[in-house]
Amino acid sequence: DTEVTQTPKHLVMGMTNKKSLKCEQHMGHRAMYWYKQKAKKPPELMFVYSYEKLSINESVPSRFSPECPNSSLLNLHLHALQPEDSALYLCASSKIPGGAETQYFGPGTRLLVL
Amino acid sequence: QKEVEQNSGPLSVPEGAIASLNCTYSDRGSQSFFWYRQYSGKSPELIMSIYSNGDKEDGRFTAQLNKASQYVSLLIRDSQPSDSATYLCAVGGSQGNLIFGKGTKLSVKP
Repeated sequence: DTEVTQTPKHLVMGMTNKKSLKCEQHMGHRAMYWYKQKAKKPPELMFVYSYEKLSINESVPSRFSPECPNSSLLNLHLHALQPEDSALYLCASSKIPGGAETQYFGPGTRLLVL
Repeated sequence: QKEVEQNSGPLSVPEGAIASLNCTYSDRGSQSFFWYRQYSGKSPELIMSIYSNGDKEDGRFTAQLNKASQYVSLLIRDSQPSDSATYLCAVGGSQGNLIFGKGTKLSVKP
């Protein structure tokens, strides 16, 4: 089973709202990732968690705040977003950290910021 | 800056034909290569990974890797309309990230 789940599937929020995206995997994977994907573009890496610790932050604005409460769960807290932050947010996981490892993607959360 | 290049297409092939998707990468030290398929509005789905020079076959899909030429390709035999999607080539980065190409849009015509 290579399932990564994400909730919610869709989210509409105003620029003053606070919301959170949730990602879960029960494959025992120890690396989890957040990507952002705009229409007709490839996914762009935002954050990497290795063994529940933040290992990569790709210069993401502070209005995006990741959290990894345990090895199965990854959250992305959103606050004061801009309309240009509207995108598909993808979570992925791999068995261990490292570029050689296959990453499995969740279905994504489609975010619209008004 | 490590780069992965793909022809954005669209690549159009008739049903039953072989579709050939190509990808080049800039970092000669890259060791891991992945092909993902992405349907419109959906998330990327892994088709195949390849790590060694040569061919790797899985059903109708064959990945080919040539590290000397820094080239990786995906062949889809007996293409079906359901294969119509964007195909993303990705290279494993040194920090555990994936470096994606811009994707090639494939259209298989019945």
